[in-house]
Amino acid sequence: DQQVKQNSPSLSVQEGRISILNCDYTNSMFDYFLWYKKYPAEGPTFLISISSIKDKNEDGRFTVFLNKSAKHLSLHIVPSQPGDSAVYFCAASADGGATNKLIFGTGTLLAVQP
Amino acid sequence: EPEVTQTPSHQVTQMGQEVILRCVPISNHLYFYWYRQILGQKVEFLVSFYNNEISEKSEIFDDQFSVERPDGSNFTLKIRSTKLEDSAMYFCASSGGDRERQTYEQYFGPGTRLTVT
Repeated sequence: DQQVKQNSPSLSVQEGRISILNCDYTNSMFDYFLWYKKYPAEGPTFLISISSIKDKNEDGRFTVFLNKSAKHLSLHIVPSQPGDSAVYFCAASADGGATNKLIFGTGTLLAVQP
Repeated sequence: EPEVTQTPSHQVTQMGQEVILRCVPISNHLYFYWYRQILGQKVEFLVSFYNNEISEKSEIFDDQFSVERPDGSNFTLKIRSTKLEDSAMYFCASSGGDRERQTYEQYFGPGTRLTVT
């Protein structure tokens, strides 16, 4: 059941450059999208989110873009820093009641080279 | 900054034994969740809990699983009779669930690594 897909298992970027992580979804009922960062042996850390009524949300070095017609979102990190090296998960939620369960993608391992 | 805490960080148990994983969600949050991640796989939803009852559960959350909020601060996941395939990282999460502001950010704990032998 691949409702949320991250097709790039890994990405390598030079420090100071832009990192672009991509995510596709299939369920048109999803109306809230989140990005999480995860280090080994730790829990996912919330980074940034976007509601389906918007197409862009920015927070410091992180910007999330949502293209509803393409069912695609992306996370831009600029400038990338070595401390950004981690696994990044895209997650989606549908407002189907009081649950708001998150459906996660498989993650993209970002390596930022000094 | 408030955070979700989980204990223990690592639990080793024998097949067939009962385990209880414990979580302390962020204090003013109303929605509570358990997720798990089997090694090398994606994070999967298990159950959500709101207003002292289960809101939704996944197919994984069968009769061997139960959740409880025994007091105003703890949220527990019990596995009644563990199987080898229950070995995974179990993450607790909580959310304020602000429908007015349309924000549903869930904040995760550090996880409990469950190893069933």
